[in-house]
Amino acid sequence: QSALTQPASVSGSPGQSITISCTGTSSDVGGYNYVSWYQQHPGKAPKLMIYDVNKRPSGVSNRFSGSKSGNTASLTICGLQAEDEAEYYCCSYAGSSTVLFGGGTSLTVL
Amino acid sequence: QLQLQGSGPGLVRPSETLSLTCTVSGGSISSSSYYWGLIRQPPGKGLEWVGSLYYSGSTYYNPSLKSRVTIFVDTSKDQFFLKLSSVTAADTAVYYCARSDKTGGGAIGAFDIWGLGTVVTVSS
Repeated sequence: QSALTQPASVSGSPGQSITISCTGTSSDVGGYNYVSWYQQHPGKAPKLMIYDVNKRPSGVSNRFSGSKSGNTASLTICGLQAEDEAEYYCCSYAGSSTVLFGGGTSLTVL
Repeated sequence: QLQLQGSGPGLVRPSETLSLTCTVSGGSISSSSYYWGLIRQPPGKGLEWVGSLYYSGSTYYNPSLKSRVTIFVDTSKDQFFLKLSSVTAADTAVYYCARSDKTGGGAIGAFDIWGLGTVVTVSS
């Protein structure tokens, strides 16, 4: 099993929208609707932002949305705010009771 | 409100066994709706799933660590435990305890509650 592929970094200006991709295979991202996304600020524990591809936990801003097409999942953040600057990780169920994380994407709000 | 707290020695010698305890508070580990897992993060690197367990004792491990990992549960104390044998410097990481959803099909779902993380350093 290899880690899911994410871009190392993305950036955007306040108010803009950005999308972070997460590419896997038909054995993980493409095979199950169990993709989740996590936000991690430096020195903090990860926080669940999206689960089951496109569902938001209670309390997460509706500026965050998720989607999937084939073997690639995406996290979109609209109306970027300074507080969104963080590391973002995708995660997918990979069958046989295993889980894979992506390598992480650093989001910079310019 | 359910919380997870990890504890264990912060320093482990190379070739020895890393032991970590995760304590669940504000809820029960014996829920049919959740798995309990461990995720680690080496310094400056990304997240890596170590393994998960169900309160019944069923365990699921990262294939890359499977030969060295044991995760087990004590439901009477609402605790689960990690043992990682034959550690090297590559096992130095922050280890997170986390709860994940058990999907309708039994798959390991999203990790919705995380502990603060326990720093473990492997060094002589």
